[in-house]
Amino acid sequence: DIVMTQAPLSVSVTPGESASISCRSSKSLLHSNGITYVYWYLQKPGKSPQLLIYRMSNLASGVPDRFSGSGSETDFTLKISRVEAEDVGIYYCGQLLENPYTFGAGTKLELK
Amino acid sequence: QVQLKESGPGLVQPSQTLSLTCTVSGFSLTSNSVHWVRQPPGKGLEWVGAIWSGGSTDYNSALKSRLSISRDTSKSQVFLKMNSLQTEDTAIYFCTRRRDFDYWGQGVMVTVSS
Repeated sequence: DIVMTQAPLSVSVTPGESASISCRSSKSLLHSNGITYVYWYLQKPGKSPQLLIYRMSNLASGVPDRFSGSGSETDFTLKISRVEAEDVGIYYCGQLLENPYTFGAGTKLELK
Repeated sequence: QVQLKESGPGLVQPSQTLSLTCTVSGFSLTSNSVHWVRQPPGKGLEWVGAIWSGGSTDYNSALKSRLSISRDTSKSQVFLKMNSLQTEDTAIYFCTRRRDFDYWGQGVMVTVSS
């Protein structure tokens, strides 16, 4: 199984500042079709996960452009610019390249 | 608009079979896959399995021997059946759409306990 390793496991951010979350996969997530199958989700307290970034760098519908995704074949970053109160929750990276699809352990974002 | 809603028993006895239903609206099951993802209390996400638009299925190998996913396209419903339940199967079970997991249901809490 592909292992997804996130860092840090928690981050505390002052509103208005930026935050970055890293994710590393144990195997390249670059498919032969040129698509890198890494995704980012946010689970707000008591809610279902919501899609933020798909295929490494594409912003999901309705997601503020303060969120951005980048990376290589095995190392990925989610950046949040100008953090707001509504960004609080647990961020998960996930690989949807091969069965079984797997997720990182999550990064908890809190406000200072 | 796209919606998914899980339903099923909240409590299941150990060794028994879990049956969950995901009722969808706003999209067609013959054009979209539906996946099941579960989350033990206070823990992370685990992909359980999927039924693809053509009706084929894929399962997490760790659960494959106990798992069955099917659908009724006329009712826009996807079904999950998992047998031989153990306490470690206690989790919130979500259904979600497409390989991107772009829309999620609210989840249903399943507790395995006698």
